[in-house]
Parts: sequence; C-alpha cells; structure tokens
Amino acid sequence: DQQVKQNSPSLSVQEGRISILNCDYTNSMFDYFLWYKKYPAEGPTFLISISSIKDKNEDGRFTVFLNKSAKHLSLHIVPSQPGDSAVYFCAAIRETSGSRLTFGEGTQLTVNP
Amino acid sequence: EPEVTQTPSHQVTQMGQEVILRCVPISNHLYFYWYRQILGQKVEFLVSFYNNEISEKSEIFDDQFSVERPDGSNFTLKIRSTKLEDSAMYFCASLPNGGTYSPLHFGNGTRLTVT
Repeated sequence: DQQVKQNSPSLSVQEGRISILNCDYTNSMFDYFLWYKKYPAEGPTFLISISSIKDKNEDGRFTVFLNKSAKHLSLHIVPSQPGDSAVYFCAAIRETSGSRLTFGEGTQLTVNP
Repeated sequence: EPEVTQTPSHQVTQMGQEVILRCVPISNHLYFYWYRQILGQKVEFLVSFYNNEISEKSEIFDDQFSVERPDGSNFTLKIRSTKLEDSAMYFCASLPNGGTYSPLHFGNGTRLTVT
C-alpha cells in the first residue's frame, strides 16, 4: 500500500535555512492532507493541514503547499531551527469517509546549529 | 492542554501470551483509534471506535485483536495470542467529533516487544 509516499528518508539543513519536505500521493479521493511531527518516544503531533480546495496554508514558520494535478504536497519550514529536528510524517484522508489516516514513511529532518 | 495517555510505555511479553494496551482518551472526545508503527515502517491504521462499536478496521486487525471501552474513560486494545510480528509501537488517538475534520490527538504510545 503505497498511497502516500515520502521518498526522502532523511534531510539535513543548516539552522536558519529553509527545510522542504516532500510527499506524493496516488489516491485522487484524498481530500485532506496533514503533516505530523514525531520526536523519539513520543506520539505524532499535528503540525499543519490543508484541504484539497486550497493550494497553500501557512502557520508561522510552516507552510504547506498542495499541487493537486501532480498529487504532490510539500512542507516548508522557514527559518529552520535545531528544535525542528524530528521525523515528519505526511498523512492523507478522505474526509467524507471518516478519519482513517494514511501515512507516508516519514522523513527524518536534522537541523544543524 | 488535555492529552491522550497510554500505559504501559513499554510492554514485554512472550509469544502466545495475551496483552492489553490501555489508553485514556481526551475526556470529551467521542472517536477513538488505534494505530501502530513497526520499527522502521510507516504508521498504520488498525481500528476506529465510536458509540461503543468498531466503525472501521484494517486488514491488520484480525480476530486476534479486540478493542473495548470498559468504562467512561479507558479504551483498550487486546491482542489475544501475540506473535513476534506484533512487536511495534501502538498509538492510541482520539477526536472530539466526526463533523468537520480535526486532526487526531495521539498518545505517546506503548512499545510492545514480543519475544
């Protein structure tokens, strides 16, 4: 089941620079997308989401972009901070079908001071 | 901020034994979920629960698994006869309602190790 895919298992950036995490999906029925952040020994924590009727959603340093035609979304973190170092999961859902999230594999982000 | 709490944080059991993983969802939430993450793999949906019954389950959630809300606060996942491949992090999650979508609130998980 590869409906949501994060092709980069890891990403390393310098503090203050932009982090761009990518996610692709195959199921065109998905209509809501979320990013979760996960620290070791903790559960996933919601970060930001976007509905399929939008192409951008911004919350502070975090912006999610959605390209429906390409079935691609990305998370931009600007400026990146060492505390942002975590595993980032992309997730998708068919909103009308309830709340069964389909997750990607995750990307380990490391922000170097 | 209210939290989903899970106990124990780590459970070690022998193959074939029964385990019960416990969760206390956020108090006014109505929808409850279990997800799991096998080491190095993605987070996978197991089951959703609403109004005292399973509303959806995945192909992973076979007859060895069951869920229960035995009282007004706890939500449990039981694995009847554990297998080595059940070793994973198990996450409980909850939602306040099933209307306009809001993000799941996850607990910190129970690490289950089957030996």
